[in-house]
Amino acid sequence: GESVGLHLPTLSVQEGDNSIINCAYSNSASDYFIWYKQESGKGPQFIIDIRSNMDKRQGQRVTVLLNKTVKHLSLQIAATQPGDSAVYFCAENTNFNKFYFGSGTKLNVKP
Amino acid sequence: DVKVTQSSRYLVKRTGEKVFLECVQDMDHENMFWYRQDPGLGLRLIYFSYDVKMKEKGDIPEGYSVSREKKERFSLILESASTNQTSMYLCASTQSGRVPSYEQYFGPGTRLTVT
Repeated sequence: GESVGLHLPTLSVQEGDNSIINCAYSNSASDYFIWYKQESGKGPQFIIDIRSNMDKRQGQRVTVLLNKTVKHLSLQIAATQPGDSAVYFCAENTNFNKFYFGSGTKLNVKP
Repeated sequence: DVKVTQSSRYLVKRTGEKVFLECVQDMDHENMFWYRQDPGLGLRLIYFSYDVKMKEKGDIPEGYSVSREKKERFSLILESASTNQTSMYLCASTQSGRVPSYEQYFGPGTRLTVT
């Protein structure tokens, strides 16, 4: 899962397995959340979002789960592929258009 | 295809130099943002702008200023660069409106090294 600090957590998975990346957010008033993927040398890329009136949202091979009770967000990637190797981080939004970002989790997919 | 571009991918400057980082978006977005990204710390908001000539401080504005003279362009200025400003700088933009699109589109980043 994600944490604030100098150490970037790493998740290693075998190609074809499912991946679960976790994020704890801080503000119970946050009403919108995004997961981003950032490949080496590139800017963050939107993956999937979810609003606080939902607890689950599915995309193509990805699912985001939101547990407001414990302020926890997770990203599930089905059938992980080598191209999924990247840093993933969540962002929470409280004020209009202002986001707070987690430090990220590095996903390493082993062939 | 939406696009946010940044003027440089890599930049090396000396302590005390004035540094300009430029960001241009072609999506006609009202809102633009500058972040810095440091290992293990995530993205931290430096400044943002809701409209031309408007700017608001983010969480870490010290040592930085910004300029938004045109809607598509948002510049980050380091008045006197210091070594602790060595970082990856990311620009982003979003649309405003009655039903705002919160998704932020990011540029590729500028890796700045101050020696």
